[in-house]
Amino acid sequence: EIVMTQSPATLSVSPGERATLSCRASQSVSSNLAWYQQKPGQAPRLLIYGASTRATGIPARFSGSGSGTEFTLTISSLQSEDFAVYYCQQYNNWPPPEDTFGQGTKLEIK
Amino acid sequence: EVQLVETGGGLIQPGGSLRLSCAASGFTVSSNYMSWVRQAPGKGLEWVSVIYSGGSTYYADSVKGRFTISRDNSKNTLYLQMNSLRAEDTAVYYCARKLRYFDVWGQGTLVTVSS
Repeated sequence: EIVMTQSPATLSVSPGERATLSCRASQSVSSNLAWYQQKPGQAPRLLIYGASTRATGIPARFSGSGSGTEFTLTISSLQSEDFAVYYCQQYNNWPPPEDTFGQGTKLEIK
Repeated sequence: EVQLVETGGGLIQPGGSLRLSCAASGFTVSSNYMSWVRQAPGKGLEWVSVIYSGGSTYYADSVKGRFTISRDNSKNTLYLQMNSLRAEDTAVYYCARKLRYFDVWGQGTLVTVSS
């Protein structure tokens, strides 16, 4: 099983500043990586797929980069609505599917 | 509008059974890969099961032999039959459309396994 490790567990950033979240895979997943945002009491929302492609309706301040085992989600200028938990997910191997998620990074207001 | 709505969650005793439903609108369940993903209270996301458009099904090791994913094409609805439930199955269960990544999610339904 491919293990996804996100860092840091919690990130404190001020509104308007830049946030950088990391995700590492235990083996190469090529560019088969997605990022999700989850707010309390809500379902996850797809932000990024293919490591760097923004999903429909996602603002340009969200960007993804990386390939292989190291990935980054960057939020260029934090808005109040961006404070949430972020998960990465690899979908490299299929079938059968072996989708695995990172444990999440909580982005909180500093 | 593309939408998924889950129902069927609730409180169930250990060893019991429950069936979750996920009604889709705006797209056809049978033409897509559909999954269940769960989230234990205060924890992260865990993939549970998938059904491919061709009908093949796959399960996480943690639920294999106990859970069954299926769909009713006439109702455009996805199901998860959960048997032999354990305390560790307590979670919010989400259905999601799978384009390899998960692009559409339902709002989730809470399953609590407790005596």
